[in-house]
Amino acid sequence: ETGVTQSPTHLIKTRGQQVTLRCSSQSGHNTVSWYQQALGQGPQFIFQYYREEENGRGNFPPRFSGLQFPNYSSELNVNALELDDSALYLCASSLVGTGNTGELFFGEGSRLTVL
Amino acid sequence: RKEVEQDPGPFNVPEGATVAFNCTYSNSASQSFFWYRQDCRKEPKLLMSVYSSGNEDGRFTAQLNRASQYISLLIRDSKLSDSATYLCVVISSGGYNKLIFGAGTRLAVHP
Repeated sequence: ETGVTQSPTHLIKTRGQQVTLRCSSQSGHNTVSWYQQALGQGPQFIFQYYREEENGRGNFPPRFSGLQFPNYSSELNVNALELDDSALYLCASSLVGTGNTGELFFGEGSRLTVL
Repeated sequence: RKEVEQDPGPFNVPEGATVAFNCTYSNSASQSFFWYRQDCRKEPKLLMSVYSSGNEDGRFTAQLNRASQYISLLIRDSKLSDSATYLCVVISSGGYNKLIFGAGTRLAVHP
């Protein structure tokens, strides 16, 4: 177990709706990253938060937004859902704020289906 | 062109076989390289880092060729438990842990 927990594990939404996904990072980790993994693809970087500030963003539109709280837990919000947003959303925490250790501790993910 | 490209497979091999996966990356400024493993419907987990000098961890050997921008993973004496998707991962410059994943190569080891 990585100590990273995500909720909900599965959810179904319809186009145009909004969704909030939650993540509790491993104890002591101050950085959280969010990834989207479509079926048959590798995870794609959405953004990263370090000490409650966004410090990196991938190629995702502004309707994907996030928050990190003082206890380092995090939320991913997606507005105006589209069919292509159907994917596994992975939260990952890491021990250092910056750097290239490469080791991320992933949660088991939230599987979103948009109808 | 994708930043990290892998042969999607699947590779179907018998137990005991040796299998090799290849990966290429497009950004010559990439700094760090890894292999992750992802079991079916589970989260990715770090398998090993990849160094220019090559590195080995038990039955697993990883190689990096910076000049060709090519990464490989060799698995010797395959076990049934090695069945998974293997993700090639690169960290580009930027100073933070932004991992760029390939689409993964699926391995199925059969008795």
